[in-house]
Amino acid sequence: EAGVAQSPRYKIIEKRQSVAFWCNPISGHATLYWYQQILGQGPKLLIQFQNNGVVDDSQLPKDRFSAERLKGVDSTLKIQPAKLEDSAVYLCASSRGEQYFGPGTRLTVT
Amino acid sequence: AQSVTQLDSHVSVSEGTPVLLRCNYSSSYSPSLFWYVQHPNKGLQLLLKYTSAATLVKGINGFEAEFKKSETSFHLTKPSAHMSDAAEYFCVVSVPAQGFKTIFGAGTRLFVKA
Repeated sequence: EAGVAQSPRYKIIEKRQSVAFWCNPISGHATLYWYQQILGQGPKLLIQFQNNGVVDDSQLPKDRFSAERLKGVDSTLKIQPAKLEDSAVYLCASSRGEQYFGPGTRLTVT
Repeated sequence: AQSVTQLDSHVSVSEGTPVLLRCNYSSSYSPSLFWYVQHPNKGLQLLLKYTSAATLVKGINGFEAEFKKSETSFHLTKPSAHMSDAAEYFCVVSVPAQGFKTIFGAGTRLFVKA
């Protein structure tokens, strides 16, 4: 089966700009996660969807981050405006039990 | 509430010697437990999982882990380290009863010396 797809793989933006990431989960996986992994740290859950409903967004900085999962399949994560501390790898995962991770998007904010 | 603690931020072993990466968890519900590995500049790969079946779980690349409810531990072991095992390892707790709410440990970096 095809894995979790993410795009873009790399993105460089200036602070205060906006950016969006896209994730296509494994077919049939109802649960979708977005994580932020800062260099040298473990992944931190930003938001978890069950189908197109939000299960947990307690660690999502809602003043600048937003995410949606229309039709319970693909998802987008947006940052607006970006800050220097948002530089990280953004990981998408989907699950029916154990999580399968995409390759991630490496964001650099200058 | 649930939490996961990886007791060592770094572990260094010699090639051919045993590996032990320690993980303790806390959960109000019956958890599922996982170990993931992340090689430099690579994605996260599932090593093994515990989901309330056998307490000794075998994974890929010769790794295994034992679920000990009395000790709330899920330590990862391998009898003989290989240079290719050098990577970051994450212990993960997930709670099916809470819609698979998931928490990652901080990670343990494994160094393997020749």
